[in-house]
Amino acid sequence: NAGVTQTPKFQVLKTGQSMTLQCAQDMNHEYMSWYRQDPGMGLRLIHYSVGAGITDQGEVPNGYNVSRSTTEDFPLRLLSAAPSQTSVYFCASSYRGGPQHFGDGTRLSIL
Amino acid sequence: AQSVTQLGSHVSVSEGALVLLRCNYSSSVPPYLFWYVQYPNQGLQLLLKYTTGATLVKGINGFEAEFKKSETSFHLTKPSAHMSDAAEYFCAVSGPYNNNDMRFGAGTRLTVKP
Repeated sequence: NAGVTQTPKFQVLKTGQSMTLQCAQDMNHEYMSWYRQDPGMGLRLIHYSVGAGITDQGEVPNGYNVSRSTTEDFPLRLLSAAPSQTSVYFCASSYRGGPQHFGDGTRLSIL
Repeated sequence: AQSVTQLGSHVSVSEGALVLLRCNYSSSVPPYLFWYVQYPNQGLQLLLKYTTGATLVKGINGFEAEFKKSETSFHLTKPSAHMSDAAEYFCAVSGPYNNNDMRFGAGTRLTVKP
C-alpha cells in the first residue's frame, strides 16, 4: 500500500500566486487532515474532513481552502500565497478512533 | 478544546541511558493520547497511543508511556537509549469522538551521545 501520498514534495511560489497541494490515501480512511509544521510550534491543524463532502476548520484555516469530493483525495488550496505561509505541510488520514497516518510532507517556500 | 505541553524542547542523553520525554495535556473530555516520532525530512510515525483501558502503553522500538489522569501526564520513556532514537518526538491529544481534531505539542528533539 502507498498509504498517504503528497505532491509535490517541494514548491517555491511568489507572493500572490495560488496553488493546490495534493493528498491521496488508499486506506479507505474516513478522516483526513491538513497540518502545517513550523519550528518550535509543532503541528497545527488547518482543515479536516470526516468524510466525502464534509469539511471543517482547524486552528489556522485562514488563507486556505479544502474540499473532499472523494474518500481518497483531500486537496489543500492556497488562494493568494503570503510569506507567512512558508512551512512544511502534512496531510494525514485515519479511521474514526484510530491513529493518524502521515504523508512525507510538502515543503513550501513563498518569496 | 484539548492542548498539549511538552516540557523541554531539547533533551540529550548518553547511549544506554534512560530516555524520559515529558508531556502534559489539557482536555475537557476523556483524552486519546499519542506519541509520534519524526526523523529528518520525513513525516510522523506513530510510536504508541492510549485510548482506554490499561494506563501503561507499550509501543514500537522499546518505548512506553503511562497515562496518569491525576497528573494529566503522558510521559514517554525508554530504559536504554540507542543512537537510532535521535529524532524529534511529538505528543498529541484528541477527543474520543473526533480524533481528526488532534492537537500537537511543540516537540522535543532527542539527541543521543555516544
